[in-house]
Amino acid sequence: EDQVTQSPEALRLQEGESSSLNCSYTVSGLRGLFWYRQDPGKGPEFLFTLYSAGEEKEKERLKATLTKKESFLHITAPKPEDSATYLCAVQNIKAAGNKLTFGGGTRVLVKP
Amino acid sequence: EPEVTQTPSHQVTQMGQEVILRCVPISNHLYFYWYRQILGQKVEFLVSFYNNEISEKSEIFDDQFSVERPDGSNFTLKIRSTKLEDSAMYFCASRLPTGYEQYFGPGTRLTVT
Repeated sequence: EDQVTQSPEALRLQEGESSSLNCSYTVSGLRGLFWYRQDPGKGPEFLFTLYSAGEEKEKERLKATLTKKESFLHITAPKPEDSATYLCAVQNIKAAGNKLTFGGGTRVLVKP
Repeated sequence: EPEVTQTPSHQVTQMGQEVILRCVPISNHLYFYWYRQILGQKVEFLVSFYNNEISEKSEIFDDQFSVERPDGSNFTLKIRSTKLEDSAMYFCASRLPTGYEQYFGPGTRLTVT
C-alpha cells in the first residue's frame, strides 16, 4: 500500500528565514510526486510535479527536489503570504485511475 | 485562468437524506476525481472517472456513493443515505489527457446532523 509521511507537522518561521519540508514516500512504482498548497477552507492548489530522482522544480521562493525515497520542498526567504499547508502526494504507476495518495501536510506559518 | 467549480459551497443535511454534490471540471479535461477531507485529516481518494466509467474507487466508495456525468459539463457525486461520518470537505478534481497533475475545486463542506 502506498504511504506518504510529511514532516514536520507544523513549522513557524520568521519572514526571511529559509527552511525545508520533508515528504517521505513508499510506493511500488512511482509515476509522479506532486506538491500542492492548501489555504484554510480551500482546495489544494497545484505547485509541482516531479517524475524521477534528481529532478528539481522551482517557482518563486519554492523549490522541490526528489530522491528515490523522499522529496523536499525548500522555502527560500519566505514571506507571510507563503503561510499555508503544503501537501505532498504520490501517484502509483499501477493505479488504473491515477489516484493521488496524500500525506498529512505541513502547516507553515510565516510571521512578519 | 480556467478552474474547477463546485456547488454548493456548504451543504447541511440530516442523517439518512440523499445529497448531490456538483462539480464543473475544466472544459478540456477528460479525467475526473472526487476526494474528501475530514476535518484535521488527510485528503482521501474516493473515485476516478473517465469515458463515462469508474476507473478506480476506494473502499470508502461503497454502494451508498455514485457518480455521474449527466451532460458535457457537470460531474456529480451522490450519497444516497448520509451518515454522520460522511461529514467532510468534498473536493472535485480534473486533469488533461496529457500530464498527470490534477486541478482541484474549492470544495463543498458537507455537514450531516
